[in-house]
Amino acid sequence: KQEVTQIPAALSVPEGENLVLNCSFTDSAIYNLQWFRQDPGKGLTSLLLIQSSQREQTSGRLNASLDKSSGRSTLYIAASQPGDSATYLCASFEGQNFVFGPGTRLSVLP
Amino acid sequence: DGGITQSPKYLFRKEGQNVTLSCEQNLNHDAMYWYRQDPGQGLRLIYYSQIVNDFQKGDIAEGYSVSREKKESFPLTVTSAQKNPTAFYLCASSIIWGETQYFGPGTRLLVL
Repeated sequence: KQEVTQIPAALSVPEGENLVLNCSFTDSAIYNLQWFRQDPGKGLTSLLLIQSSQREQTSGRLNASLDKSSGRSTLYIAASQPGDSATYLCASFEGQNFVFGPGTRLSVLP
Repeated sequence: DGGITQSPKYLFRKEGQNVTLSCEQNLNHDAMYWYRQDPGQGLRLIYYSQIVNDFQKGDIAEGYSVSREKKESFPLTVTSAQKNPTAFYLCASSIIWGETQYFGPGTRLLVL
């Protein structure tokens, strides 16, 4: 059964720093992997979706990469801003089920 | 504006009571999903529907029921058989099963 983990559970960085969030999955036979942002008490906002045939996707200051062979995806945030503070979740899709990680809570300090 | 709406924002359930959470989308999406989120845990899939008039159980369907009579609506009923219903419930939709999911604002269910 697929398991998705995210390390670290929480991260604090000063404004302007570049940072990387990690997502690991145990079963490499995935169709796609999606990154989301969740603000406290709110629903999830889709950030990027990487298909299994792709290695990365970019949107503005965000870049997500996928390495199926090692069971890893990373979300790179450039020039972080206080408005980036939120919980970031990744989710894998294997054709039958979506499996979410527990999230990384990011705080960007002014 | 296109999007997904959930109501109510907060819902209180008494012992032995069934309650229904509403989810509506005007994105013309075929697939819809219900998730449960508990503190410190990832989202867990309760039910999903790939197309109108069809739905499937997810990982934690026991104590829940759904219907999909209209493309835009996917209500979730939390029955009295669900012994630990306190959680944040999130509805999502995607243009087809497995593609980018778009989420509603959520309903927080509390037990009196």
